[in-house]
Amino acid sequence: NAGVTQTPKFRVLKTGQSMTLLCAQDMNHEYMYWYRQDPGMGLRLIHYSVGEGTTAKGEVPDGYNVSRLKKQNFLLGLESAAPSQTSVYFCASSRPVSGNTIYFGEGSWLTVV
Amino acid sequence: AQSVSQHNHHVILSEAASLELGCNYSYGGTVNLFWYVQYPGQHLQLLLKYFSGDPLVKGIKGFEAEFIKSKFSFNLRKPSVQWSDTAEYFCAVNAGNNYGQNFVFGPGTRLSVLP
Repeated sequence: NAGVTQTPKFRVLKTGQSMTLLCAQDMNHEYMYWYRQDPGMGLRLIHYSVGEGTTAKGEVPDGYNVSRLKKQNFLLGLESAAPSQTSVYFCASSRPVSGNTIYFGEGSWLTVV
Repeated sequence: AQSVSQHNHHVILSEAASLELGCNYSYGGTVNLFWYVQYPGQHLQLLLKYFSGDPLVKGIKGFEAEFIKSKFSFNLRKPSVQWSDTAEYFCAVNAGNNYGQNFVFGPGTRLSVLP
């Protein structure tokens, strides 16, 4: 039972490069999320999706794009990476019911130099 | 918009000491409340959650939390900590009817347990 899987786990980018983080979940969850985690700031929501083909902005969406072409996948793209995007990125998923639990992937460590 | 605050940035305890981590949220309506734990180098895992019923909820590894609606608080407790409890702890709120959007996490409290 894989749960939420993220790839890649580690990546170093140069400023201005682009990349995509892939998230896959096998729990048939409707909702998926991308968070970034920075020291002392907890988790901040970048974008989220409430279903296949739909996405919405979270708290810190600038510099990121997302796509949800299939229910089980949620992609996070950085079009032109900046050092401020150095962070740990977590994908998560949940069901849209009261009392639902949000399940996290293992994280992707991204460094932009 | 709702927010979550956690009282302590870093807590240092000796083994067998009692633990209480504070969490307060700002939202006037119905809430679901969570505590997540993140062990070093790992992802967040659910410790416990409250969404209805008994305001005292018990989770894994001997943790419990009490929801006090009048104080907008959901403090985490453990009577006797172990070295293996060293981790970062996050309080989270899922509020209102828009469950997809409204998972808000606190800044986290780092717990260091000395052997």
